[in-house]
Amino acid sequence: SQQGEEDPQALSIQEGENATMNCSYKTSINNLQWYRQNSGRGLVHLILIRSNEREKHSGRLRVTLDTSKKSSSLLITASRAADTASYFCATDATDSWGKLQFGAGTQVVVTP
Amino acid sequence: DAGVIQSPRHEVTEMGQEVTLRCKPISGHDYLFWYRQTMMRGLELLIYFNNNVPIDDSGMPEDRFSAKMPNASFSTLKIQPSEPRDSAVYFCASGLTSGGNEQFFGPGTRLTVL
Repeated sequence: SQQGEEDPQALSIQEGENATMNCSYKTSINNLQWYRQNSGRGLVHLILIRSNEREKHSGRLRVTLDTSKKSSSLLITASRAADTASYFCATDATDSWGKLQFGAGTQVVVTP
Repeated sequence: DAGVIQSPRHEVTEMGQEVTLRCKPISGHDYLFWYRQTMMRGLELLIYFNNNVPIDDSGMPEDRFSAKMPNASFSTLKIQPSEPRDSAVYFCASGLTSGGNEQFFGPGTRLTVL
């Protein structure tokens, strides 16, 4: 079963706009990670946020974590056509040591 | 480093045939993971190894699937006999820890079973 669920399932924006996607999960976690997958490729790690952190930045990415609501958000600012990809959240649950559980992903399309 | 290497990249086979997927993890990584990705079920963890030892194979769908890691630089995932419902993209990933840190994914093997 999938621990994380992303919302929305799909997102279409224009270059320069911001893209926001959310991830909800069900159990306590050690950390939550975001990955990107370009069509036909493997997943690429973007950012990791630990359970005791609330916000983290990496370049144009901003991730927030609210453990009380069991949710996270990924914001991509000033999007580019190259940001077109699927984005997945993955949780390292405290009761599932060693495993990452991935959500179904948000498909983002950025049009020039 | 070349990253995680998987072979073959594409495999088309007929139902009942044996399929072997191969993975070379990043040197120095002591965790290796096998995932399967389908439209219906998303990304599923099949099995993972730590220091070449299988730690959790609870995601392996059935006895037709087996995985080995004879040494730190090589792992195989075997399906025997293959069935059309095994058609999926199979990813290998490696990492320095289990879930605690990032995992590095290979490009995947797209398997089609006719």
